[in-house]
Amino acid sequence: DVKVTQSSRYLVKRTGEKVFLECVQDMDHENMFWYRQDPGLGLRLIYFSYDVKMKEKGDIPEGYSVSREKKERFSLILESASTNQTSMYLCASSGRDPSYEQYFGPGTRLTVT
Amino acid sequence: SQQGEEDPQALSIQEGENATMNCSYKTSINNLQWYRQNSGRGLVHLILIRSNEREKHSGRLRVTLDTSKKSSSLLITASRAADTASYFCATDRYGNKLVFGAGTILRVKS
Repeated sequence: DVKVTQSSRYLVKRTGEKVFLECVQDMDHENMFWYRQDPGLGLRLIYFSYDVKMKEKGDIPEGYSVSREKKERFSLILESASTNQTSMYLCASSGRDPSYEQYFGPGTRLTVT
Repeated sequence: SQQGEEDPQALSIQEGENATMNCSYKTSINNLQWYRQNSGRGLVHLILIRSNEREKHSGRLRVTLDTSKKSSSLLITASRAADTASYFCATDRYGNKLVFGAGTILRVKS
């Protein structure tokens, strides 16, 4: 079974802190994704990576950056956390075609105070 | 930007009843997928239907796709309390990446 793990289930940070969210997948997938999920808005794509060191902006990249130094690991960075970044963050991976089935991690619920 | 929109936003039924959720989308697609999310967890893929397919089954799930109306429906037959979850449709945007709707919250009462 594909497994996607995320470094934390719950995280509380202060405004202005630098925040790292880590995601690891064990299926040698080319594509990895970071989404945020807010009530009534569904999932919105923050960033997408289709290969090591390759990234593409999603719909809401402002305030975020990403890093993919190894194929299995995709990190989301909040350079200076703000309260409007309080949300559920979901990582996903998929095989060669990014429009096919995605496998999700359990999510990180981030609260910025 | 949301491509898929689910309807209804919330649905409450008794165990044993059927649950039907609908999804509408705006642009041409190659495939449409349905996912389930249990409270506070990640999403789990349920079924993928390609644009040249009209109906697909998986266990108690039945998905239909009408590309002329740009809509899909997910039917869960003989629902169980364990089916209580949020259900999302996702469409590929211009054949690249997925766009998710806001979801339907299903509650199955035992």
